[in-house]
Amino acid sequence: GENVEQHPSTLSVQEGDSAVIKCTYSDSASNYFPWYKQELGKRPQLIIDIRSNVGEKKDQRIAVTLNKTAKHFSLHITETQPEDSAVYFCAARSGHASGGSYIPTFGRGTSLIVHP
Amino acid sequence: NAGVTQTPKFQVLKTGQSMTLQCAQDMNHNSMYWYRQDPGMGLRLIYYSASEGTTDKGEVPNGYNVSRLNKREFSLRLESAAPSQTSVYFCASSVDNYSNQPQHFGDGTRLSIL
Repeated sequence: GENVEQHPSTLSVQEGDSAVIKCTYSDSASNYFPWYKQELGKRPQLIIDIRSNVGEKKDQRIAVTLNKTAKHFSLHITETQPEDSAVYFCAARSGHASGGSYIPTFGRGTSLIVHP
Repeated sequence: NAGVTQTPKFQVLKTGQSMTLQCAQDMNHNSMYWYRQDPGMGLRLIYYSASEGTTDKGEVPNGYNVSRLNKREFSLRLESAAPSQTSVYFCASSVDNYSNQPQHFGDGTRLSIL
């Protein structure tokens, strides 16, 4: 099955700096890569996603890049703000059914701390 | 439009007790999921239901059972709770489980087993 590695586990930056979180995946058939943000005590919420026919996607201060050859994808946050502090999860979903279904596999999360 | 609703939000059980976590979605989604979240472990899939009438095991199904009651509702049951099941449980839903659409999560149930 799919295996997703996420690094770093903790990332501390100063307000205004950029933050980069990286994920690698094992299944070359994976074709959908969402990113979720989870604030303390809250639910994970989708912030951006990318599909395998696209190399980069941007939404204001956040962007995701995908390198299918190397099987890795990254989340980039520019001009970080204290409200960006949260745990971020990447996920990869295979285009091949495992047991008849396509279930995303999550990374273990990155705790981003933005210092004012 | 409430999205995904989970009940209860908090629960404390004694070892050996049983309970059912409830989940309902109002987005007309076909697929529903139960995850547990432990520190440093990310989100681990317990069970999922690809469509009404079907359920399948995920990564960590031992000690749990599920029921897809109808298209809206998907419950998770602990028959004999153990301290190792202390965790935060999230229910999620998606349009289906084969197109590239995201999952929508509930607010979670914080469960402590003493």
